[in-house]
Amino acid sequence: AQSVSQHNHHVILSEAASLELGCNYSYGGTVNLFWYVQYPGQHLQLLLKYFSGDPLVKGIKGFEAEFIKSKFSFNLRKPSVQWSDTAEYFCAARRPEYGGATNKLIFGTGTLLAVQP
Amino acid sequence: KAGVTQTPRYLIKTRGQQVTLSCSPISGHRSVSWYQQTPGQGLQFLFEYFSETQRNKGNFPGRFSGRQFSNSRSEMNVSTLELGDSALYLCASSLDLSSGGVGGDEQFFGPGTRLTVL
Repeated sequence: AQSVSQHNHHVILSEAASLELGCNYSYGGTVNLFWYVQYPGQHLQLLLKYFSGDPLVKGIKGFEAEFIKSKFSFNLRKPSVQWSDTAEYFCAARRPEYGGATNKLIFGTGTLLAVQP
Repeated sequence: KAGVTQTPRYLIKTRGQQVTLSCSPISGHRSVSWYQQTPGQGLQFLFEYFSETQRNKGNFPGRFSGRQFSNSRSEMNVSTLELGDSALYLCASSLDLSSGGVGGDEQFFGPGTRLTVL
């Protein structure tokens, strides 16, 4: 079955620490990858996405992610976190259906990040 | 530009009842998807609609259904509610630029409808 795995369920960091959240997906072939963030009380927002091309993707608020095809990974990174980065982070994958079309996203279980001032 | 709106924001129902949730996509967006979010299962895809047609469906029982209207607004219905249906139901819309709609555009999520089944 298609799946997306996020191995870190809870992460606690101090401000200015570096962040790396892991994401692995389970299927080969063409895959589009996304990181979403959900700040407390707010909507899911797109941080960044990878469709093709440069495997290092830069998103909003200083976040970046690296697509490593051989490892089926799409880890999210930020060199220096701030208290305002406290949120839940979701990795998601979309597999373009051959001969079809879809926006269907498969989400990971999410990582709750708490940044201590 | 107004974002995705969902109504109602909160709903309390009892087992056995049925419920209808509404989603208004961003103006001009043609694709609407629905997701269920629970602490135990996370975010799970329910179904998606494009141009009033269901384009894809997740692994949910037939009690979960939906539709899309000509103005792209969408509704989802859950019949014979069970306790396990308590969840945050999220709607997402996207532009789907390509003719015929091939998907893959950024999805914009609404605030969700919090459904509690007692």
